[in-house]
Amino acid sequence: DQQVKQNSPSLSVQEGRISILNCDYTNSMFDYFLWYKKYPAEGPTFLISISSIKDKNEDGRFTVFLNKSAKHLSLHIVPSQPGDSAVYFCAASRYNTDKLIFGTGTRLQVFP
Amino acid sequence: KAGVTQTPRYLIKTRGQQVTLSCSPISGHRSVSWYQQTPGQGLQFLFEYFSETQRNKGNFPGRFSGRQFSNSRSEMNVSTLELGDSALYLCASSFREGSTPYEQYFGPGTRLTVT
Repeated sequence: DQQVKQNSPSLSVQEGRISILNCDYTNSMFDYFLWYKKYPAEGPTFLISISSIKDKNEDGRFTVFLNKSAKHLSLHIVPSQPGDSAVYFCAASRYNTDKLIFGTGTRLQVFP
Repeated sequence: KAGVTQTPRYLIKTRGQQVTLSCSPISGHRSVSWYQQTPGQGLQFLFEYFSETQRNKGNFPGRFSGRQFSNSRSEMNVSTLELGDSALYLCASSFREGSTPYEQYFGPGTRLTVT
């Protein structure tokens, strides 16, 4: 049972444009959400997080939006850069268990 | 501050053998989690250790086990290896206080191939 889903396995975006990566979850008990970026042969790197008490969190070029009623979150990267090309994982957890549940990842390719 | 280190980076084992992987967390981090990454499955949570105690466990068979030492270093062991155990095994450490939200910092992983 995949509680966190990333339905787009890949995304291709032109440099300078916006990249939007989507993530859906099924467990309404999740209250903390994170995005990780992973390059080949490296472990995932924490990117940005959001608590369920917020609907938006911004950090530089990265913004995460949370829609609790739709059980949906998205990561916006503006402007996209070639160095952003990587696999992006969303993850979710409950405050009182802390176990992170990851999605299957979306491979983002930013081309010149 | 040094990051999370994992040894070995690559490993080839034969079906039926056992394997032990090691993880050294970031200094000061007391929580260590283990994940298995396979194509199409994302990162599957194995278990988490905090102060030498297993705090959380995923849905993996008993062949997968782990432990944590007093210096927070952790090992995971897989006994009676199966071909399906071939994967990238990732370790992540975090600084935890109670049950507050936290970010995990990952090591580069150990690529295990079972033949």
